[in-house]
Amino acid sequence: DSGVTQTPKHLITATGQRVTLRCSPRSGDLSVYWYQQSLDQGLQFLIQYYNGEERAKGNILERFSAQQFPDLHSELNLSSLELGDSALYFCASSPRTGPDSGNTIYFGEGSWLTVV
Amino acid sequence: GESVGLHLPTLSVQEGDNSIINCAYSNSASDYFIWYKQESGKGPQFIIDIRSNMDKRQGQRVTVLLNKTVKHLSLQIAATQPGDSAVYFCAENSGFSGYNKLIFGAGTRLAVHP
Repeated sequence: DSGVTQTPKHLITATGQRVTLRCSPRSGDLSVYWYQQSLDQGLQFLIQYYNGEERAKGNILERFSAQQFPDLHSELNLSSLELGDSALYFCASSPRTGPDSGNTIYFGEGSWLTVV
Repeated sequence: GESVGLHLPTLSVQEGDNSIINCAYSNSASDYFIWYKQESGKGPQFIIDIRSNMDKRQGQRVTVLLNKTVKHLSLQIAATQPGDSAVYFCAENSGFSGYNKLIFGAGTRLAVHP
């Protein structure tokens, strides 16, 4: 158990709908990262937050948004869902931001999203 | 849940043998590298990391080697066990100073046979 908690574990929804994925980082971690893992794209970095502020952005679609709250939990909002959005969405956390061998990024178990 | 990445290269080894998983990274400016293990239906699990000022780092049964000249990273697993069967990803830290933006490789599936 990495200590990163994600809910829901599984979600099935229809095209055009909106969903929210939730992440609680490890105790004490200030950075939260979101990744998407699909069959044809591998693990893709979406976005990072540090202590409530956006720090880095990757291949995140405009239909997707995220935020990190004062209690450090984070939510990833996916809207106008398309079939191609079906994937595993991972949240990860680390104590700080920045490249550092002492700043290990730990992943949660993921949220399986199926868009039908 | 099912594993993702059905078209991954696969390394098949016998139980007890040593395994070597290779990875080519893309950014010569990357200064930090990590190996993750992902079992079916689970999230990536940290195995070992290495900074670019090192060329070798050892953990418990695992060793990571870094060759910056050819941008190559390898993970060596000693005395491979059935529990080592998983998909292994290398990741490089690629981003501006102060940011932690891991870029993952495509992954290699390790299959351990008794």
